[in-house]
Amino acid sequence: QSALAQPASVSGSPGQSITISCTGTSNDIGRYNYVSWYQQYPGKAPKLMIYDVSNRPSGVSNRFSGSKSGNTASLTISGLQAEDEADYYCSSYTKSVKGVFGGGTKLTVL
Amino acid sequence: QVQLVESGGGLVEPGGSLRLSCAASRFAFSDYYMNWIRQAPGKGLEWVAYIGKSGSPIKYADSVEGRFTISRDNAKNSLYLQMNSLRAEDTAMYYCARDAGWLQWSDWGQGILVTVSS
Repeated sequence: QSALAQPASVSGSPGQSITISCTGTSNDIGRYNYVSWYQQYPGKAPKLMIYDVSNRPSGVSNRFSGSKSGNTASLTISGLQAEDEADYYCSSYTKSVKGVFGGGTKLTVL
Repeated sequence: QVQLVESGGGLVEPGGSLRLSCAASRFAFSDYYMNWIRQAPGKGLEWVAYIGKSGSPIKYADSVEGRFTISRDNAKNSLYLQMNSLRAEDTAMYYCARDAGWLQWSDWGQGILVTVSS
């Protein structure tokens, strides 16, 4: 199972909005509405931020939103804050019923 | 809230074996699929394996198929990963993660480091 494709890095200024893309295939993102996004700070465990493409777990800020079009999913963070600086990973359910992640995107808040 | 605590990591020589454990608490362990996910130093996340509620189904990443064995003991609320024929490329932080459904992971342990080196 090939990894999903994410940009290595994105950046934005406080208050701005940024979007991280995650591109897969018709065997994963394009086939299922089970895309999830994870936030990870250095030295910490990942945290689920979005599941089922666009749902937020309890306690996750509504500044985080998810969407999908075709084989590409997106995570948008609005009203960027310094605390949002972290690594972000996407994942999708796959036809092979095996897990797959994107390579990760480092978000820098300028 | 949900608690997942990994143990059993450490330094092992190439070709050696190690068994990781994950103690689960504060949720109905037997009601959930469970997963192992790893992260090599400075690298991204890699899914390793999952196990169904009663011990099946089981699936492995191609990179560990035939060398790693995932298992669980619902009476002890514990998840395990038996790792054999370890290679340098297996060096990573290993996380135990609760599956919220459809390979989406709602809760993670703090991770345990496995280092494969001579």
